[in-house]
Amino acid sequence: TQLLEQSPQFLSIQEGENLTVYCNSSSVFSSLQWYRQEPGEGPVLLVTVVTGGEVKKLKRLTFQFGDARKDSSLHITAAQPGDTGLYLCAGAQPGNQFYFGTGTSLTVIP
Amino acid sequence: EAQVTQNPRYLITVTGKKLTVTCSQNMNHEYMSWYRQDPGLGLRQIYYSMNVEVTDKGDVPEGYKVSRKEKRNFPLILESPSPNQTSLYFCASSFSGWAHGYTFGSGTRLTVV
Repeated sequence: TQLLEQSPQFLSIQEGENLTVYCNSSSVFSSLQWYRQEPGEGPVLLVTVVTGGEVKKLKRLTFQFGDARKDSSLHITAAQPGDTGLYLCAGAQPGNQFYFGTGTSLTVIP
Repeated sequence: EAQVTQNPRYLITVTGKKLTVTCSQNMNHEYMSWYRQDPGLGLRQIYYSMNVEVTDKGDVPEGYKVSRKEKRNFPLILESPSPNQTSLYFCASSFSGWAHGYTFGSGTRLTVV
């Protein structure tokens, strides 16, 4: 059973387009994190959101935590080839157990 | 440089031969964790530790052991590896876990034949 569902699973877009990746659950999380992973490497933390409704921006990336702390979204504006990678969301529950989504594989075509 | 170091990077072993994957962090993090990553299943937590001598089971602990005798080290032990433990393994550390996110190691690709 997957606690966190990410959609879409695969995304291929042209350079300059905008996109949104979703991370949904029926469970409440203490925090939610987004990571990007390159092939053969460990995930790299992009952001942590802890408050329901919180919005964080990291250059062209905008992250939002749902009001009920059950879901999150990642929006990329004007995607670039360097954004290509596997995007993972992860939710933390009481007791510090973490659950990762299965990821969204993004390809940005020049 | 702040980092999590795992060794080895690649390992091929035979069924039943005990092995240890080492993990060390230089950030004085209290929280450390082990994950395995499999196609279609994503990252699944094996064990985690919130401090020295404190360890807890994650989602998939069967067949694995861990120890946390010092703050910086968190080795993963497979007492009797089996082919279904063939996977990509990641060690990760965090200042607090839930509020700060993880720093991951570069991974250990384990093949059990």
